[in-house]
Amino acid sequence: EPEVTQTPSHQVTQMGQEVILRCVPISNHLYFYWYRQILGQKVEFLVSFYNNEISEKSEIFDDQFSVERPDGSNFTLKIRSTKLEDSAMYFCASRGTSYNSPLHFGNGTRLTVT
Amino acid sequence: SQQGEEDPQALSIQEGENATMNCSYKTSINNLQWYRQNSGRGLVHLILIRSNEREKHSGRLRVTLDTSKKSSSLLITASRAADTASYFCATDEETSGSRLTFGEGTQLTVNP
Repeated sequence: EPEVTQTPSHQVTQMGQEVILRCVPISNHLYFYWYRQILGQKVEFLVSFYNNEISEKSEIFDDQFSVERPDGSNFTLKIRSTKLEDSAMYFCASRGTSYNSPLHFGNGTRLTVT
Repeated sequence: SQQGEEDPQALSIQEGENATMNCSYKTSINNLQWYRQNSGRGLVHLILIRSNEREKHSGRLRVTLDTSKKSSSLLITASRAADTASYFCATDEETSGSRLTFGEGTQLTVNP
């Protein structure tokens, strides 16, 4: 069964550094998402992406964040200048074309900002 | 309170028992979905119930939806130790575009 893959599985970075988290969504899916989960807390929506543009974003997704689909397969989340509070699990997800289709999640990237 | 609140926050049962988790939400929805998360892993979709449906079954899972009370329940029958995980409800809100909004989750522990 096709799956969403994320790399790296764990990223350690210093405060103020830029990080890029990578995702390969399921190939025929059209909607792409980033969520994050701070340890022990709820899964929070960051951004959704459709037709090569952001379709919706949350208040967490400020100017420090950006997303890109540089080619037909990859979907990336960039954090320009990381803060300690950006430490979390970041999950990529994709969804097919059907209106009531579920999200398929990757296994996440654990980002640790020191 | 926030959209998609589950209760209880934690549930510990013995293998073979049934587990019931509840979810409440605040806004009008297109559908409600339940996901499972094993520790440190991604979320796995379990079941989706549309706003015009009242009950749905999938294997040992039974989901109900009461849109008048804005609540849903997930029942896992004949639980197994392998069912130990966190369970989240997620709402696809009518006014939210394409996002799913997740609840706080219920940590289920099934003791062998």
